[in-house]
Amino acid sequence: QQQVKQSPQSLIVQKGGISIINCAYENTAFDYFPWYQQFPGKGPALLIAIRPDVSEKKEGRFTISFNKSAKQFSLHIMDSQPGDSATYFCAASIQGAQKLVFGQGTRLTINP
Amino acid sequence: EAGVTQSPTHLIKTRGQQATLRCSPISGHTSVYWYQQALGLGLQFLLWYDEGEERNRGNFPPRFSGRQFPNYSSELNVNALELEDSALYLCASSLLMNTGELFFGEGSRLTVL
Repeated sequence: QQQVKQSPQSLIVQKGGISIINCAYENTAFDYFPWYQQFPGKGPALLIAIRPDVSEKKEGRFTISFNKSAKQFSLHIMDSQPGDSATYFCAASIQGAQKLVFGQGTRLTINP
Repeated sequence: EAGVTQSPTHLIKTRGQQATLRCSPISGHTSVYWYQQALGLGLQFLLWYDEGEERNRGNFPPRFSGRQFPNYSSELNVNALELEDSALYLCASSLLMNTGELFFGEGSRLTVL
């Protein structure tokens, strides 16, 4: 119930294309869903986050789509650039529980 | 402003030994979190400290322990090291967890031979 399942494990996209990473969860008590970006040799950094009262959140080229009934959420990267090549983690938490549960991660490669 | 700093960057130990990892949070942050990032397993929550107290613990054996000091820095101790403890150990800090934003350090790479 505490798991967050992420797919795919790896993804290769051409420059200018759309990158899509999907996550699914089971615990309906989760109420906060962030995405973290990790470059090699660095710690993860918060990219974008959403709460379940909205179905979509957009920040620049990055969009989170959230489907509460399906218990799924996804990250879309529009006009993908080589600089977006990194590992992306979805996560979920219960407000006040002070613990983020992370997905397995997706290694994204953008070919120039 | 300095970010979360961790030391050492790399640590090599043998089975049965003890490892100690250290973390300094961002100034003003009172909460420190430890995560284990093993290959292919994502980030696994280890421990959360706030105001010097252990507040929450992940599904790890008791040989994983730690503490938080009065200056909010923290150390993670791993006793009786096993080969599968080889991983990147990430420390994060936050001011207010409800935002979900953890600020991570670059990690300490522990290799157990």
